[in-house]
Amino acid sequence: AQKVTQAQTEISVVEKEDVTLDCVYETRDTTYYLFWYKQPPSGELVFLIRRNSFDEQNEISGRYSWNFQKSTSSFNFTITASQVVDSAVYFCALSESGNQFYFGTGTSLTVIP
Amino acid sequence: ETGVTQTPRHLVMGMTNKKSLKCEQHLGHNAMYWYKQSAKKPLELMFVYSLEERVENNSVPSRFSPECPNSSHLFLHLHTLQPEDSALYLCASSQDSRANEQFFGPGTRLTVL
Repeated sequence: AQKVTQAQTEISVVEKEDVTLDCVYETRDTTYYLFWYKQPPSGELVFLIRRNSFDEQNEISGRYSWNFQKSTSSFNFTITASQVVDSAVYFCALSESGNQFYFGTGTSLTVIP
Repeated sequence: ETGVTQTPRHLVMGMTNKKSLKCEQHLGHNAMYWYKQSAKKPLELMFVYSLEERVENNSVPSRFSPECPNSSHLFLHLHTLQPEDSALYLCASSQDSRANEQFFGPGTRLTVL
């Protein structure tokens, strides 16, 4: 079974629309960390956010916001007023205790001008 | 140079060749990673080095051989690869543990003929 599931393979939105990227994770650890990364066409993954399992406060950073809900094991990412530069593949990831680090399959976002 | 660099950016090799991928981080981090990214699959963690010691080897075939001579450099030696090994190989580094965000290089696009 996948440790991190990103059910949306591809999403297309028109510029200025809001879009939410879903991430569901699976772990038995009580201490874990969740991440979001962006991979633009250039290929280099860019770190966006880290959240630990004890901090369920939602976070907002400019047009980006994250909704962490332990009850549903979800860590969703919303982009408000999307822009063409937001077009990329977005990965959700889970780090458990020990040395394992799991990525989802990614969601490819296309923002149409 | 800043961040994480990888060379070469593109590599084409035959199944009988021997080649090496190089990664260098200029961030003062203590942990380095190799990932394999294939189309339609999650990023696969291959190797983890912490303070120049290998701490994780995720059942990677022996035709991939990592080397970490110091905390700033990481190599992936390749020999007798298979066509299915064609993928984007990403290097990353982090401060000291999985709880910290990883910073990625641009990757090496490997094609095995």
